[in-house]
Amino acid sequence: EDQVTQSPEALRLQEGESSSLNCSYTVSGLRGLFWYRQDPGKGPEFLFTLYSAGEEKEKERLKATLTKKESFLHITAPKPEDSATYLCAVQVSNTGKLIFGQGTTLQVKP
Amino acid sequence: DVKVTQSSRYLVKRTGEKVFLECVQDMDHENMFWYRQDPGLGLRLIYFSYDVKMKEKGDIPEGYSVSREKKERFSLILESASTNQTSMYLCASSSSDGHYGYTFGSGTRLTVV
Repeated sequence: EDQVTQSPEALRLQEGESSSLNCSYTVSGLRGLFWYRQDPGKGPEFLFTLYSAGEEKEKERLKATLTKKESFLHITAPKPEDSATYLCAVQVSNTGKLIFGQGTTLQVKP
Repeated sequence: DVKVTQSSRYLVKRTGEKVFLECVQDMDHENMFWYRQDPGLGLRLIYFSYDVKMKEKGDIPEGYSVSREKKERFSLILESASTNQTSMYLCASSSSDGHYGYTFGSGTRLTVV
């Protein structure tokens, strides 16, 4: 069965304290891995798409990487405005359907 | 700016009412999806549609139905609302091959009393 697992469930950081969020997946054939950011009471916003092992994408303080079994979202010198829930999702077929992990809730304290 | 628009941000309905949640996208996407999101359970797929008048059940279709009469509009229907359907409902759309992932709406927080 295709499965996506994110860890940790919750993460508290001090402002400036870098860390990483993990997304591990067990799927029959990966077509793409997606990261989203979700603020409370809002819909998820797209951050990155990764398609093949070794690929990396960056945006401001965020950097996403992909291996054959997992993806990391690295947060460098986070700020309080980076506080949100980060969702990982994988696409395993050409139907467009995504399988989501349960998310990591990040809190960055000033 | 491309958008997925959900008709209501907040709704309060009574048990037994028929509830309609509307979603409209302006990206000419073939695929549209309805999810519900609950604390500790993550995003769960209710129904999705690959084309006009086409629909497929997701993981938790019980108590819900959908309608897609036009490409840009995908409606979720709660036939007889129950308190366990209190949740955040998210609509999303994507291209036919999903190459760029989903674009989500801002969500509808439904409370059934």
